[in-house]
Amino acid sequence: AQSVTQLDSHVSVSEGTPVLLRCNYSSSYSPSLFWYVQHPNKGLQLLLKYTSAATLVKGINGFEAEFKKSETSFHLTKPSAHMSDAAEYFCVVSVSLGRGSQGNLIFGKGTKLSVKP
Amino acid sequence: GAGVSQTPSNKVTEKGKYVELRCDPISGHTALYWYRQSLGQGPEFLIYFQGTGAADDSGLPNDRFFAVRPEGSVSTLKIQRTERGDSAVYLCASSLRGGQGFATNEKLFFGSGTQLSVL
Repeated sequence: AQSVTQLDSHVSVSEGTPVLLRCNYSSSYSPSLFWYVQHPNKGLQLLLKYTSAATLVKGINGFEAEFKKSETSFHLTKPSAHMSDAAEYFCVVSVSLGRGSQGNLIFGKGTKLSVKP
Repeated sequence: GAGVSQTPSNKVTEKGKYVELRCDPISGHTALYWYRQSLGQGPEFLIYFQGTGAADDSGLPNDRFFAVRPEGSVSTLKIQRTERGDSAVYLCASSLRGGQGFATNEKLFFGSGTQLSVL
């Protein structure tokens, strides 16, 4: 069965400093992995996705994530945080098989990112 | 429209009442998904439509929950005899093609959700 674990429920950084949001996954198959961002009162937005091509994935707004099979990790990083990055971030794994599976996406519990001026 | 639209944005109801939540997907998207997000949790899958049919309803928690998509566009999530534990944000998403076992990397577009509060 597929699952994701986000290791931090809350991360706080200062503006201009690096961001690291951690995610570990469990999957019986070669997974597809995603990071979504949720700003208050807005819909979830896809930041980036990994689908077995390059292990370093670049997304929108300067975010990137590296797929490390040996560590079963897919951590999200950004070199320099901006105030507008404050939001909740979800690590997501896809479920690849048919009827009776738990839908296409399994979400982690989320990491709330705070950015201090 | 430009994105996935969900109405109402907020719904307050009393325990035992019936509610309907509406989702307007992006025009032309054949796949539509409902998720439920409880406080402090990530979204959890409820049901997935491919066109008019429910291709996977394995996430519906019990028979009080039902969803329809009669014309392959707008979908309605229906909850009977609401309970306080049903309080959550109900999210709708759509994608161009969807499909179980295929293109699991296809991008989903999410609406802003309906906040349901059962008193």
